[in-house]
Amino acid sequence: EAQVTQNPRYLITVTGKKLTVTCSQNMNHEYMSWYRQDPGLGLRQIYYSMNVEVTDKGDVPEGYKVSRKEKRNFPLILESPSPNQTSLYFCASRDSMDYEQYFGPGTRLTVT
Amino acid sequence: GQNIDQPTEMTATEGAIVQINCTYQTSGFNGLFWYQQHAGEAPTFLSYNVLDGLEEKGRFSSFLSRSKGYSYLLLKELQMKDSASYLCAVREGYGQNFVFGPGTRLSVLP
Repeated sequence: EAQVTQNPRYLITVTGKKLTVTCSQNMNHEYMSWYRQDPGLGLRQIYYSMNVEVTDKGDVPEGYKVSRKEKRNFPLILESPSPNQTSLYFCASRDSMDYEQYFGPGTRLTVT
Repeated sequence: GQNIDQPTEMTATEGAIVQINCTYQTSGFNGLFWYQQHAGEAPTFLSYNVLDGLEEKGRFSSFLSRSKGYSYLLLKELQMKDSASYLCAVREGYGQNFVFGPGTRLSVLP
């Protein structure tokens, strides 16, 4: 089954404790993105990648890092999480020749 | 800068027609997208417009006017399952840079 998976789905952590949210897709897509979704603000793009080792900042990259060492994986790293990073995070992917993005199920992160 | 506006909430009756508007100001426009998102779930793709005009897909249609920076999503024969948020998004350039609007929460009443 073609899908985008994220882990963990739910995470409660404390300020300053490094964490990684994984994202994997099995559709051989070139493009991948990370978004956060907050009430009233909609989806905001954090980082995106157009292929292995090619990443770029979205609208809200501060406090986040990403890497794209393999085509299928695009982890989101929070080196020192803060409470304002409490949010619902979505990973998405798409084929370079297509316009439809496929979203993962989301990761709800709470930073206390 | 980028700016995308949508109404926050709308209510309609089962079986009716509803139009959800989206206005945008952005640079390097390369397509407008509509997504549906049920509460607690991931967004799913509905439609894509890059040229002016109407795109029809079953009960859903989407319209674009690039000169006016305006799009709408038209939902016909509303069903209870259409209660969801509808997200308007603009792609900038030819890559993966997307800007989303705040979303419109649609409630379909019996």
